[in-house]
Amino acid sequence: DAGVIQSPRHEVTEMGQEVTLRCKPISGHDYLFWYRQTMMRGLELLIYFNNNVPIDDSGMPEDRFSAKMPNASFSTLKIQPSEPRDSAVYFCASSIGGTASHEQYFGPGTRLTVT
Amino acid sequence: SQQGEEDPQALSIQEGENATMNCSYKTSINNLQWYRQNSGRGLVHLILIRSNEREKHSGRLRVTLDTSKKSSSLLITASRAADTASYFCATGDILSYNTDKLIFGTGTRLQVFP
Repeated sequence: DAGVIQSPRHEVTEMGQEVTLRCKPISGHDYLFWYRQTMMRGLELLIYFNNNVPIDDSGMPEDRFSAKMPNASFSTLKIQPSEPRDSAVYFCASSIGGTASHEQYFGPGTRLTVT
Repeated sequence: SQQGEEDPQALSIQEGENATMNCSYKTSINNLQWYRQNSGRGLVHLILIRSNEREKHSGRLRVTLDTSKKSSSLLITASRAADTASYFCATGDILSYNTDKLIFGTGTRLQVFP
């Protein structure tokens, strides 16, 4: 298996632009997680899905952020409009079963820079 | 916050030495996991220890768990330059309504010099 795939790997955009990050989880995994990592705040869980259904989006910072999972093999995280403080590395991870008892597999991340 | 805290924040050692990292957490847990993150990469799972286990080994890794003190330690023996990375502990909160969430600690940055 190729592992969790994320695209793009790097994104540089101007403030106010829409940004879409993409993730393909490992086939057969029923949980998908979106994280954000910054030096100041560490690794934060933004939202996660179980069987394509959003379960907990309490970590989404504000309405500018949205996430979808139209099918078991694809998810997007969208920021509209983007702001400089959104600059971070965004990770997607997937797992089989409940996360508290199962390891998560992380993608390589998307480094987002908003100027 | 139930977020774990690793100690020390940074650690520098020579190849061949042992590295010990500690993690403290605040709530009741089912298990605790350790992850490694190489610079510019995603996190990689290292080991999972359940709440009824006190010690677990995997290759050069040794993890201990003390639920009474709400703490865990990760020992890397005979370290190598390739062990240079950040190490994170992660837990789920069994008292939370949402036990699927994994909360990561702040991490320990390990530098192993050749």
